[in-house]
Amino acid sequence: DGGITQSPKYLFRKEGQNVTLSCEQNLNHDAMYWYRQDPGQGLRLIYYSQIVNDFQKGDIAEGYSVSREKKESFPLTVTSAQKNPTAFYLCASSPSGGTGELFFGEGSRLTVL
Amino acid sequence: GENVEQHPSTLSVQEGDSAVIKCTYSDSASNYFPWYKQELGKRPQLIIDIRSNVGEKKDQRIAVTLNKTAKHFSLHITETQPEDSAVYFCAASRSRGSGGSNYKLTFGKGTLLTVNP
Repeated sequence: DGGITQSPKYLFRKEGQNVTLSCEQNLNHDAMYWYRQDPGQGLRLIYYSQIVNDFQKGDIAEGYSVSREKKESFPLTVTSAQKNPTAFYLCASSPSGGTGELFFGEGSRLTVL
Repeated sequence: GENVEQHPSTLSVQEGDSAVIKCTYSDSASNYFPWYKQELGKRPQLIIDIRSNVGEKKDQRIAVTLNKTAKHFSLHITETQPEDSAVYFCAASRSRGSGGSNYKLTFGKGTLLTVNP
């Protein structure tokens, strides 16, 4: 069954701790993205990667880090430097040279206690 | 960078009525305009998109119009049904030939549409 898998679905963390959100896709897509969703704020781009071993900052990259060592995987680390990390995080992928359509995962909800 | 404004933030209609959601964008080089639907607790999914070489596109009960001169585009849903209730997001991006990446979508803040039976 093809698609994008995010894990965990729910995550709790204490202040000062780093946490890594997993995103895996088996759609053979070159491009992958991380968005943050807050109520009334829409979807804001954190990081994106168009090819393995390369990634770019989005609009709200501060306090976050990513890696793209494999085509299928694009993990996001929320560091202790992120001032307001409680949010819903969505991973997405898109085929290279395609229409631009994004295929989203089901999301990960992070709560900082 | 691109800035996308979306209105209204909430919209309530009676079943069978039409719903219209409007977006404006700031980057005149943007030429790809998708709309995503996100049902409660689910992932956003593309419902329709339009490119700058056309002014209107229809798919059954939904349509999108684009006015490049005014830099605005709209989503029209006719004969609304309760299952249309969701948050709708508009977005805009450039294609690769316009000096940018067609993968860097900028989203509006969303419209919560409620269709009352």
